Amino acid sequence: AQKVTQAQTEISVVEKEDVTLDCVYETRDTTYYLFWYKQPPSGELVFLIRRNSFDEQNEISGRYSWNFQKSTSSFNFTITASQVVDSAVYFCALRQGAGGGADGLTFGKGTHLIIQP
Amino acid sequence: DTGVSQDPRHKITKRGQNVTFRCDPISEHNRLYWYRQTLGQGPEFLTYFQNEAQLEKSRLLSDRFSAERPKGSFSTLEIQRTEQGDSAMYLCASARTGTEKLFFGSGTQLSVL
Repeated sequence: AQKVTQAQTEISVVEKEDVTLDCVYETRDTTYYLFWYKQPPSGELVFLIRRNSFDEQNEISGRYSWNFQKSTSSFNFTITASQVVDSAVYFCALRQGAGGGADGLTFGKGTHLIIQP
Repeated sequence: DTGVSQDPRHKITKRGQNVTFRCDPISEHNRLYWYRQTLGQGPEFLTYFQNEAQLEKSRLLSDRFSAERPKGSFSTLEIQRTEQGDSAMYLCASARTGTEKLFFGSGTQLSVL
């Protein structure tokens, strides 16, 4: 069985602060994929990143960075110099590798990020 | 990309009634997914289509739920004899074969009274 845990239900920071969203996953598969999606108030989930289980390189994209550590089964997401527009619910998700896309994503419960001006 | 379109945006129905939702994926996307999301939870996978073939169904999809994608383009999700527990946001997503990036629609919010 697969499981994704996002222990932080809600985080509130002041604009320009850095913030890290935690994600811990469980899977028995050796091949799997990890994702982060953003759900702004409009409700439409927006893809942010995908990582496969063989690629532990950290990634940086502008103010966003991701830290994947297989040893701790974590895939954390950091926003540097947060902005009000970053306010949203962020979901971490997991998919096993053997399904060829047929298997749905297993999502965590999400972290509601509030950036105060 | 014109985006994934879902209709209606909101649906209010009485318990026991049937409802049908429509999803129009991005035109060149042959993979289509349905998810369900309740308040405070992440989306839960319901079913998956590769073109017109329904290849995967979650155990969450009871016999009252049926999905179709007759020509490999738009898809419909029907719920028969709705129950209050069916109240949720129903999300559709599409993707190209060979990519992992799902494009989600804005969802259909179902309220069963």
